[in-house]
Amino acid sequence: GAGVSQSPSNKVTEKGKDVELRCDPISGHTALYWYRQRLGQGLEFLIYFQGNSAPDKSGLPSDRFSAERTGESVSTLTIQRTQQEDSAVYLCASRTQGTEAFFGQGTRLTVV
Amino acid sequence: GIQVEQSPPDLILQEGANSTLRCNFSDSVNNLQWFHQNPWGQLINLFYIPSGTKQNGRLSATTVATERYSLLYISSSQTTDSGVYFCAVETRGTYKYIFGTGTRLKVLA
Repeated sequence: GAGVSQSPSNKVTEKGKDVELRCDPISGHTALYWYRQRLGQGLEFLIYFQGNSAPDKSGLPSDRFSAERTGESVSTLTIQRTQQEDSAVYLCASRTQGTEAFFGQGTRLTVV
Repeated sequence: GIQVEQSPPDLILQEGANSTLRCNFSDSVNNLQWFHQNPWGQLINLFYIPSGTKQNGRLSATTVATERYSLLYISSSQTTDSGVYFCAVETRGTYKYIFGTGTRLKVLA
């Protein structure tokens, strides 16, 4: 596609429910990143995929968070048993190594 | 891990003024990007600048990788420049993109 696409754009969920967030990277981009941005804060690294290599999961805040990527295409970020502290904007970016990263519009998650 | 600090944290300018934003990083990096996050939350690419100087209209950036800093210059600021400016560095060995603390800019008409 023309840009990084994320869905849904907004998600309201009840505390304790599981949610799945989706990211469609730019076609041909081998690297994909997930970030979390709480209100008024900076971008917090969550996970990084590069081609078929093992992902760098060092930023995932707890075992309730997981992410998958199918080859060099779509990625899903799953949050299990959501808590109010998970409320944030989740941003996805993609790039080819050695070039600039491009971000999607983000998914605003609200846990009530 | 690498630390990425930006200064100043907040900046208020009158329209037409010039400003310099700074990004310091604590370790060697593969590359560096500057982004503008507009009031609607969208991250807009400004510069991909692992080293040297680039210019794009009223904006320019310089990265001195050996001294571990980058500068973003905004000249003749406009109200549409308001938002948060982030630098992000790609760490050597891990290839993660780590974001700086951000500079929140408000330009007054």
